[in-house]
Amino acid sequence: EPEVTQTPSHQVTQMGQEVILRCVPISNHLYFYWYRQILGQKVEFLVSFYNNEISEKSEIFDDQFSVERPDGSNFTLKIRSTKLEDSAMYFCASTGPGQGGKTQYFGPGTRLLVL
Amino acid sequence: DAKTTQPPSMDCAEGRAANLPCNHSTISGNEYVYWYRQIHSQGPQYIIHGLKNNETNEMASLIITEDRKSSTLILPHATLRDTAVYYCIASSNFGNEKLTFGTGTRLTIIP
Repeated sequence: EPEVTQTPSHQVTQMGQEVILRCVPISNHLYFYWYRQILGQKVEFLVSFYNNEISEKSEIFDDQFSVERPDGSNFTLKIRSTKLEDSAMYFCASTGPGQGGKTQYFGPGTRLLVL
Repeated sequence: DAKTTQPPSMDCAEGRAANLPCNHSTISGNEYVYWYRQIHSQGPQYIIHGLKNNETNEMASLIITEDRKSSTLILPHATLRDTAVYYCIASSNFGNEKLTFGTGTRLTIIP
């Protein structure tokens, strides 16, 4: 069964460093998303992406964040200058073109720790 | 997105049916009811969704009331691996619609 994959599974970085989180969505999917979950808190929406542009972003997704689909398979989230409060699980999700609801399928997540 | 309300926690004996309720009294006509679960800190796992008819798949059944103001997720024969946080989310069927997660129901399956 096709699934969303994410790399790395864990990332430790120093405050102020840039990180790139990578996702490979399900192959025929057209809509892509990033969510994050700070330890013990809710899963929060960050950004959605369709047709090579951002469709919607939350207030969390400030100028330090960017997304890109550099080729036909990868979808990346870049945090330009990490802060301690960026420590969280980051989940990528994707949705296909089908009818009857737009089910989002999530990857296993990347655990980011900013020191 | 319509707000959903779920009990914070529930227990269920292993092998019994787990019935998880959700209230979504402000759901609009184009919003589906989605259920996801999250085991530990893994990625949310899709379970089932429906608009107004009851739905069943290999994981669960979804019962939606006729007025669509509430629904129940049924895990017919709960196992220890079903211990997780279960989220009920109302979302439209438009592309790019974000999912708004609440705090969900923490379901514990008791051996």
